[in-house]
Amino acid sequence: SAVISQKPSRDICQRGTSLTIQCQVDSQVTMMFWYRQQPGQSLTLIATANQGSEATYESGFVIDKFPISRPNLTFSTLTVSNMSPEDSSIYLCSVEGGGNTEAFFGQGTRLTVV
Amino acid sequence: QKEVEQNSGPLSVPEGAIASLNCTYSDRVSQSFFWYRQYSGKSPELIMSIYSNGDKEDGRFTAQLNKASQYVSLLIRDSQPSDSATYLCAVHGSSNTGKLIFGQGTTLQVKP
Repeated sequence: SAVISQKPSRDICQRGTSLTIQCQVDSQVTMMFWYRQQPGQSLTLIATANQGSEATYESGFVIDKFPISRPNLTFSTLTVSNMSPEDSSIYLCSVEGGGNTEAFFGQGTRLTVV
Repeated sequence: QKEVEQNSGPLSVPEGAIASLNCTYSDRVSQSFFWYRQYSGKSPELIMSIYSNGDKEDGRFTAQLNKASQYVSLLIRDSQPSDSATYLCAVHGSSNTGKLIFGQGTTLQVKP
């Protein structure tokens, strides 16, 4: 299984500002995934980040709001831009074990926008 | 229709009983199925994966898959208060993109 380090673990931010979340994996992986978990809800995929190409966004999520970087095979960042209180959620980084096997998660970033 | 559906619960069982958690999915060609446990304030933790029809057992946990009925379940035997958590059913999409589709989760409460 992969070890995923995600930071910050939590933050309280002012509306209108941006926060960049970092995700570091202990092994090289092709795809990394960013999920959002709103309070009391399940996980919703924001985007898939592939190294060397643009991220693929799911319906309802756009690059201007959630820009993603993937500079190498072990690292990715997700930025939550121009934040509003509706962006208060847990953001999770994930990698797949390969071949449509299980996914592993970072410890998550708990974001509160005030 | 949601792609992956679970009863949100809460499901309450006494300590020592069997907890039965259920999940249905809409994409008939899905091949990979997972159960995650999530404690409050924590990230999801994989507890079971299943890929073939039938049962798969791991300790107190048994996953059951029926592809014809598009149904996957998780049984927890000898339930303990420490099993109290939200259980998320997840399915790989059919497009082989690696992304998981999650159900809304079932909250399990095991009462001493």
